[in-house]
Amino acid sequence: QVQLRESGPGLVKPSQTLSLTCSVSGASIRTDDNYWSWIRQPPGKGLEWIGYIYYRGHTYFNPSLKSRITMSLDTSKNQVSLILSSVTAADTAVYYCARTPPASLGDWFDPWGQGTLVTVSS
Amino acid sequence: DIQMTQSPSSLSASVGDRLTITCRASQTINNYLNWYQQKPGTAPKLLIYAASSLKTGVPPRFNGSGSGTDFTLTINSLQPEDFATYYCQQSHSSPLTFGGGTKVDIK
Repeated sequence: QVQLRESGPGLVKPSQTLSLTCSVSGASIRTDDNYWSWIRQPPGKGLEWIGYIYYRGHTYFNPSLKSRITMSLDTSKNQVSLILSSVTAADTAVYYCARTPPASLGDWFDPWGQGTLVTVSS
Repeated sequence: DIQMTQSPSSLSASVGDRLTITCRASQTINNYLNWYQQKPGTAPKLLIYAASSLKTGVPPRFNGSGSGTDFTLTINSLQPEDFATYYCQQSHSSPLTFGGGTKVDIK
């Protein structure tokens, strides 16, 4: 079955750039018809969709973060990457990657990775 | 952005209870509504998609209904493993948005 695992630095300084990687197993990001999503959750708070990238490379971002986000695919490693620039303390959160299967019934997230906590602090 | 409002934000229940969680959208979203369960320290898990379709492997005591702006998640005969936080999520319009969550704990 599809499994995802996020990785990245646990601590980032304010104004710096956050880089996260999602390693995918059980599916090929190069050929399988999926979207690959990033979602975040500040400690003790709710969920925020960051955006997703289609297997053909098209990206769709939350307008609230769009100016600071880059997403990409590394097909040789079967990985999805998220870059968030100019971070502040408000970007402290658990970051999840998830698969969004193509469907006429809408977009949902299944499965999710286990998440990785990123703290923005000097 | 479409705002998703869940109620209640928290509730206490007992094993065997039947409980209902409500999710209301700020504009019509047809049936583009999904439900997730999240336990502390773990990632959310999909329960129901397209308002009423049960994900394979999810117990049938979970039931989703609704269309338009008003949706419900019903859990029949609450089990110990059901104590968790539940989120709704719309996919009618970008940005995809979630409700604020409903925490279900033991009475």
